[in-house]
Amino acid sequence: QQPVQSPQAVILREGEDAVINCSSSKALYSVHWYRQKHGEAPVFLMILLKGGEQKGHEKISASFNEKKQQSSLYLTASQLSYSGTYFCGTEWDPGSARQLTFGSGTQLTVLP
Amino acid sequence: GAGVSQSPSNKVTEKGKDVELRCDPISGHTALYWYRQSLGQGLEFLIYFQGNSAPDKSGLPSDRFSAERTGGSVSTLTIQRTQQEDSAVYLCASSLGPGPGLVGYFGPGTRLTVT
Repeated sequence: QQPVQSPQAVILREGEDAVINCSSSKALYSVHWYRQKHGEAPVFLMILLKGGEQKGHEKISASFNEKKQQSSLYLTASQLSYSGTYFCGTEWDPGSARQLTFGSGTQLTVLP
Repeated sequence: GAGVSQSPSNKVTEKGKDVELRCDPISGHTALYWYRQSLGQGLEFLIYFQGNSAPDKSGLPSDRFSAERTGGSVSTLTIQRTQQEDSAVYLCASSLGPGPGLVGYFGPGTRLTVT
């Protein structure tokens, strides 16, 4: 089943913060976050594994709430370069060796 | 090469024709995935290869779609008797192995337009 992302779209000004959520109805093993700019392939941001801690990369960080089966991506003091569509990918079973199932994406637009 | 490459980058074909899309994964990556992305939509899983194991074809939308991977490296996705609803960007990704939490590196995609 496809994870659910929210919001579907967000517009903010440079320097503002944003949160993107990814929820699953099944028990998650890991969550991947990718960003895709228009006309380009998705680019990996980070992975959060079950039992792992919150991760961060520059001013982008993420958390993984196992109880809620939810991950949140935090973009702090957003920059113009953060614009793009953010996808979360989820893995449910560490033994399945199967593919990531992706959400439908959150379109983020950062305005000057 | 340093990354995943795909060819062609763009393909326009007439309805009913067959097409072949190619993916060259990162050297040493044993896992290879094909996804489809329709305009403004998320990523739809198609097929997954891991080493010499039988592929996971559970995401293929119909029997017009098939894929093979030769020598554990290059993969070809074939769509027979293309339909207009097949129009999409087809993305290939590879990763080091089947383990969970492994990073997937995406290729630039092939944009398929069926007229």
